[in-house]
Amino acid sequence: AQTVTQSQPEMSVQEAETVTLSCTYDTSESDYYLFWYKQPPSRQMILVIRQEAYKQQNATENRFSVNFQKAAKSFSLKISDSQLGDAAMYFCAYRGRNNNDMRFGAGTRLTVKP
Amino acid sequence: NAGVTQTPKFQVLKTGQSMTLQCAQDMNHEYMSWYRQDPGMGLRLIHYSVGAGITDQGEVPNGYNVSRSTTEDFPLRLLSAAPSQTSVYFCASSYSGQGDDIQYFGAGTRLSVL
Repeated sequence: AQTVTQSQPEMSVQEAETVTLSCTYDTSESDYYLFWYKQPPSRQMILVIRQEAYKQQNATENRFSVNFQKAAKSFSLKISDSQLGDAAMYFCAYRGRNNNDMRFGAGTRLTVKP
Repeated sequence: NAGVTQTPKFQVLKTGQSMTLQCAQDMNHEYMSWYRQDPGMGLRLIHYSVGAGITDQGEVPNGYNVSRSTTEDFPLRLLSAAPSQTSVYFCASSYSGQGDDIQYFGAGTRLSVL
């Protein structure tokens, strides 16, 4: 079964600076999808960004971008110009191409310091 | 726009009691799913449904039942609650549940089993 590992239980960043959250995964599939979700204290899960494995270009969404390294099975999230509202738990997730089962990592708690 | 609505938000049960967690979506999504979130473990899939009348097991189905009589509703039943089922439960929905399909999550139900 596919596994997703987030090796940083907690991270902190100064407001306006850049932070990178790490995610690695284990799979034997060649075609799959990767996601980053944000969970603020409200508990609501919000999609931040997604990446298709067969696309070499890294996905970007405003201040959020990913560094997708397929060979290394790595999918890190970079948050630029961090804002207080970015403070949350961040979850990395994997889904196979024809699979209904989305696998989540254990999460990284991000603190933003003013 | 309601999106995905879960009720109740909080619930305390005694061991052996039964209850149903409700989930409804108004986006005409075919795919619906239930996850549980435990500290340090991310979200794990309990059951999912790809359409009315069709359900299947996820990663951690034991102790839970589901049914899908309508497109809108996907209740999760605990027949005999156990302390190990203390968790936060999330319902999610999406168009197909495959590929890069975005899942929309409810606000969660915090369940404590004493």
